[in-house]
Amino acid sequence: AQSVTQPDIHITVSEGASLELRCNYSYGATPYLFWYVQSPGQGLQLLLKYFSGDTLVQGIKGFEAEFKRSQSSFNLRKPSVHWSDAAEYFCAVGAGTGFQKLVFGTGTRLLVSP
Amino acid sequence: DAGVIQSPRHEVTEMGQEVTLRCKPISGHNSLFWYRQTMMRGLELLIYFNNNVPIDDSGMPEDRFSAKMPNASFSTLKIQPSEPRDSAVYFCASSDSSGNTIYFGEGSWLTVV
Repeated sequence: AQSVTQPDIHITVSEGASLELRCNYSYGATPYLFWYVQSPGQGLQLLLKYFSGDTLVQGIKGFEAEFKRSQSSFNLRKPSVHWSDAAEYFCAVGAGTGFQKLVFGTGTRLLVSP
Repeated sequence: DAGVIQSPRHEVTEMGQEVTLRCKPISGHNSLFWYRQTMMRGLELLIYFNNNVPIDDSGMPEDRFSAKMPNASFSTLKIQPSEPRDSAVYFCASSDSSGNTIYFGEGSWLTVV
């Protein structure tokens, strides 16, 4: 069965510092991979997605992620974090017919210190 | 464009009462999803529809939960009778036929006391 692991429950980063959030997936075929962000009291917003092609994908808000098949990973990165990036981040793999059935990781809460 | 619209945004109800959550997907989208988010279990897919037809309801926890999609612009998730353990945030989401992007609503925050 498909699964996603986000090993870090919380991460604290200083404003202006770089960020990397880890995501490992388990899926038998080529995965469809996603990163979503959830601000407090809000729904989920798509940051970026990987279906095929270039393994480094660019998203909104200055985020990028790199698909590494050999490591079954899809880590999210940002070179310089802003205080407004404080939120919860979810990695997901698409499964099922049409890959529309998203299986989410447990999320990583990002805290940004001044 | 309007996003996925859910109502109510917040509901507090007593155990045993019926709860109905409503969702209007993005116009033109033909897939609709209901997710539940809890601290203990994270985000779980409850059910999804394609062209108004339920495709996968394996995530529906038990018979107390039911979902319908009578037309392309409306869906309901009903819990009857509700229990305290149903307290969660319920998200509706939709996507178009490409399935490339799933858009989420802002959620319905349910508390059963």
